[in-house]
Amino acid sequence: LAKTTQPISMDSYEGQEVNITCSHNNIATNDYITWYQQFPSQGPRFIIQGYKTKVTNEVASLFIPADRKSSTLSLPRVSLSDTAVYYCLVGDMDNAGNMLTFGGGTRLMVKP
Amino acid sequence: KAGVTQTPRYLIKTRGQQVTLSCSPISGHRSVSWYQQTPGQGLQFLFEYFSETQRNKGNFPGRFSGRQFSNSRSEMNVSTLELGDSALYLCASSDYGYTFGSGTRLTVV
Repeated sequence: LAKTTQPISMDSYEGQEVNITCSHNNIATNDYITWYQQFPSQGPRFIIQGYKTKVTNEVASLFIPADRKSSTLSLPRVSLSDTAVYYCLVGDMDNAGNMLTFGGGTRLMVKP
Repeated sequence: KAGVTQTPRYLIKTRGQQVTLSCSPISGHRSVSWYQQTPGQGLQFLFEYFSETQRNKGNFPGRFSGRQFSNSRSEMNVSTLELGDSALYLCASSDYGYTFGSGTRLTVV
């Protein structure tokens, strides 16, 4: 699985848009990019997944440039409850026994 | 539909004891994988089971083992507990994409 690099931490204020960038230079052709959110003492929760260009759902957007060597998770108008650790994962997310390789994640702190 | 259920939620054990943790996947999911999360090492893959067969194993000692039953429920066992085994143990159920349970917080004293 491709190695990922993310900022260790970020601070933001309520109501702001937050963009977290993940670098994955060795992404393979079959790899998808998936972001998870984790609160303390809970399991990671799926946020969004994409392969190329832009994906948007009810909670976030994912921007992937043409070379796919990086991706940006965008959280619009964050609230205090968005304070969590965000993980970027890259891999072939099928049911073929691939293990998820988590990096250190980005610890987002949203302040009032 | 029901999510991934892990039991127990919290557990305290003494060094040298053994422990068994349980994971019930989402109905219809045949793949179950286990992860250990500690402040120092982060989230680390333990093993993955599919249709009662272990398909993948992480870099953990033989004290860590698991199994999967015909109904896809999975258990993991840790024998001869060490203080360093204190962690949040997470189970993920997979069909396409992974759904995690809330974990079992194991404390070894």
